[in-house]
Amino acid sequence: NAGVTQTPKFQVLKTGQSMTLQCAQDMNHEYMSWYRQDPGMGLRLIHYSVGAGITDQGEVPNGYNVSRSTTEDFPLRLLSAAPSQTSVYFCASSERGGHTGELFFGEGSRLTVL
Amino acid sequence: QQQVKQSPQSLIVQKGGISIINCAYENTAFDYFPWYQQFPGKGPALLIAIRPDVSEKKEGRFTISFNKSAKQFSLHIMDSQPGDSATYFCAARATGSARQLTFGSGTQLTVLP
Repeated sequence: NAGVTQTPKFQVLKTGQSMTLQCAQDMNHEYMSWYRQDPGMGLRLIHYSVGAGITDQGEVPNGYNVSRSTTEDFPLRLLSAAPSQTSVYFCASSERGGHTGELFFGEGSRLTVL
Repeated sequence: QQQVKQSPQSLIVQKGGISIINCAYENTAFDYFPWYQQFPGKGPALLIAIRPDVSEKKEGRFTISFNKSAKQFSLHIMDSQPGDSATYFCAARATGSARQLTFGSGTQLTVLP
């Protein structure tokens, strides 16, 4: 059982570069989301999706794009990286209809923007 | 805006002691309050959760206490062990939301042997 898989685990970018963080889940979960984790800030929601073809913004969406073409995949795109986007990024998924709403997280992608 | 406030930021406890982490929320429409545990280099994982219609939930050494009128909830770890050393996040989910959770800022717990 792979669960939620994120790639890459580590990435260093220069300011202005673009990249995509990949996220895939094999649990047939309808709901997927991206969070960023910064010291003292907890986990803040960037974007989320309730199903293929449906995405919406979270608390801190600026500078990020997402798409959801399949149930399994939910990539996060940084269009023009900035030092403020240095963070650890987590992808999470859950059953949309599940009463517990438990989120299953990947192991994270650590991004440094120089 | 931070709708879920968590304290303390860090906590050091002796083995066998009680660890207590507190959270307060502002949105009265929250209907589900989970706690997540995160070890270094790993993603958070659900530890225990409670709904506002109960005042306490216990699972092994972990207990959530919930005070609806005060809009506060807390995690108690009894007989704390070095293996409990991790970062703990409280969270809350708004009624009718599409599973978005609002997280607290986290508490780094260190249990000394």
